[in-house]
Amino acid sequence: EPEVTQTPSHQVTQMGQEVILRCVPISNHLYFYWYRQILGQKVEFLVSFYNNEISEKSEIFDDQFSVERPDGSNFTLKIRSTKLEDSAMYFCAGGGPANTGELFFGEGSRLTVL
Amino acid sequence: GQSLEQPSEVTAVEGAIVQINCTYQTSGFYGLSWYQQHDGGAPTFLSYNALDGLEETGRFSSFLSRSDSYGYLLLQELQMKDSASYFCAVRPSNDYKLSFGAGTTVTVRA
Repeated sequence: EPEVTQTPSHQVTQMGQEVILRCVPISNHLYFYWYRQILGQKVEFLVSFYNNEISEKSEIFDDQFSVERPDGSNFTLKIRSTKLEDSAMYFCAGGGPANTGELFFGEGSRLTVL
Repeated sequence: GQSLEQPSEVTAVEGAIVQINCTYQTSGFYGLSWYQQHDGGAPTFLSYNALDGLEETGRFSSFLSRSDSYGYLLLQELQMKDSASYFCAVRPSNDYKLSFGAGTTVTVRA
C-alpha cells in the first residue's frame, strides 16, 4: 500500500540555522499539506499546496517558512532561520481526489532547536 | 476560523464503551473526521461524516449532527491497544485541509 514518507525522522539544529524537511507524498494525491504538533498539543495547519502553488497558509507560516515541490515527487518545507519555538513534530499529508475526507499523514519529522 | 471542543481525557476498562464528544464552530463545513494518534506518531484516519447520522466501522462508530454542530466517536469493546489520543477535525472547505481539536487522551485499564 502506498504511503507518505518523511525524512529525516529526527533533526537537531542550532537556533538560527536553516532546516529542510522532506516528504514524498502518495503520487496520485492532489493536495499536499504541512502540519506541526508541538509536544502534547494539537496538530496545527501550516500550509496547503495545490497545482504547484500555495493555496492557503496559516498565521504560523510566516516569511521564515517556504515550501516547494520541485520535481513532482518531493515536497519540502524549509525553515530559513530556526527559533526555539520551532521545535515540534512536522507532519506532511496528502489527500484527494477520492472524496473520502481522508488525509494521509507521514510518520513525521521531529525538529529540535537548541 | 474554526474552533473545536473535546474532552481532554477519558479512562475506561477493557471491554467498556467510550464516547468522545466533539462540538465545533466553523465558517464553512464539509465534514467531520476522527483520527487516532499513538505516542506522537502519525495521525491515522478512523472515520469521516459528511452527512448527519451514524457511520460504523468495526468497533468504532462516528456520529454527526450538522444542525447541532456536534459529533461523537464511539469506541466499543475497548482493548489495551486503543489507548491513544483521539482528535476530531473539521473539513471547512472542499479541499482536504483539516482543523484539529486539542485531542482526547483515552487510557484503557485492565
